[in-house]
Amino acid sequence: NAGVTQTPKFRILKIGQSMTLQCTQDMNHNYMYWYRQDPGMGLKLIYYSVGAGITDKGEVPNGYNVSRSTTEDFPLRLELAAPSQTSVYFCASSDTDRGEEKLFFGSGTQLSVL
Amino acid sequence: GQNIDQPTEMTATEGAIVQINCTYQTSGFNGLFWYQQHAGEAPTFLSYNVLDGLEEKGRFSSFLSRSKGYSYLLLKELQMKDSASYLCAVRFINDYKLSFGAGTTVTVRA
Repeated sequence: NAGVTQTPKFRILKIGQSMTLQCTQDMNHNYMYWYRQDPGMGLKLIYYSVGAGITDKGEVPNGYNVSRSTTEDFPLRLELAAPSQTSVYFCASSDTDRGEEKLFFGSGTQLSVL
Repeated sequence: GQNIDQPTEMTATEGAIVQINCTYQTSGFNGLFWYQQHAGEAPTFLSYNVLDGLEEKGRFSSFLSRSKGYSYLLLKELQMKDSASYLCAVRFINDYKLSFGAGTTVTVRA
């Protein structure tokens, strides 16, 4: 059981380039999330999805886009990379929206924009 | 954010006890999580509290006081492998998304 799989693990982009961070989960979870983690800042929610075809903005959505065409996949798109998007990105999923439901995280993508 | 506060760093000796505090706004509180994150890795679930009191899981315990907006994670019999960042995260009513604190980096020394 792979859980939540993210690719790539590392990426360097030039300013203005675009890329897609891939995320897939095999636990049949309805809820999926994208977080970014900056040093000393904690995890900030970028976008989330409560099921296939449904997405919504989190705390820091500017500069990003997402789609959720299937239950398994939740890619994150950066259209015009900026240095402020240098960060570690984590995809996560959960089974339900019940209070006690914990998140399962992918292994992260370290992105540098130069 | 939801003003979730925890200390930045703590250092302790192998075999000792360390207590990591977390405070949060009480309005709309609906549960508190602790996650462990080793350097360069993903966060992993440690504990969940929604009612007042202490939850014990082996060497790790988590305490919650809802009225005070306060939780702590207690790590006993520290081992070198416990060196990690510990994240406090809160869920609020009508908002199933978790809000995270900045994390507390614990360094265990021999």
